[in-house]
Amino acid sequence: QSVLSQPPSASGTPGQWVTISCSGGISNIGSNYVYWYQQLPGKAPKLLLYNSKQRPSGVPDRFSGSKSGTSASLAISGLRSDDEADYYCAAWDDRLSGVVFGGGTKLTVL
Amino acid sequence: QVHLVESGGGVVQPGRSLRLSCAVSGFSFSNYGMHWVRQAPGKGLEWVAVSWSDGGSEYYEVSVKGRFTISRDNSQNTLYLQMNSLRPEDTAVYYCARGELLDSRYPDFWGQGTLVTVSS
Repeated sequence: QSVLSQPPSASGTPGQWVTISCSGGISNIGSNYVYWYQQLPGKAPKLLLYNSKQRPSGVPDRFSGSKSGTSASLAISGLRSDDEADYYCAAWDDRLSGVVFGGGTKLTVL
Repeated sequence: QVHLVESGGGVVQPGRSLRLSCAVSGFSFSNYGMHWVRQAPGKGLEWVAVSWSDGGSEYYEVSVKGRFTISRDNSQNTLYLQMNSLRPEDTAVYYCARGELLDSRYPDFWGQGTLVTVSS
């Protein structure tokens, strides 16, 4: 049981817009930034968004993030087949003094 | 170019010990916090531990506290994870990850991982 809650799956067709939600609590998302990671099949995770909505260099602007209260979301516009991956949200938890992850969302591009 | 290379994984019996290493290059290791994150087969990511840049303090996930020890050798640009009293549920790919420079609490760049299998 993950501390942060994500839907286990999401899907869309090429060119569509899809969102993935991440729900937590006061001690994690409610008090700290949310980070998002993309894990392609068989690969190591890659940082996708930091500080809830900032993109590292090289991440296309099709990926965007938002945070409100104890929830956050990742949005992907102009869906592409190579976006098919597992997506994880993460936040520092002040009560646990550690990073907590969501259970991951498997994105399928139909 | 940032590189993190984990080593030391393998098959180990329950109750035994294993030490993982993570050799880094391409950035100033002593300026960064460093994390271990694991992923059980077919499961999601689970944070394990963090060591701040000066090596002065560490934090652990509750299920490994008291069994695992994170340490670092800034002169050798190497991060370690000493794992004692291993359990079958510790079976996972263990990733070494760099903490973000402005906020070390969060991993930014990850190695490719090393597989630890705990089985009799």
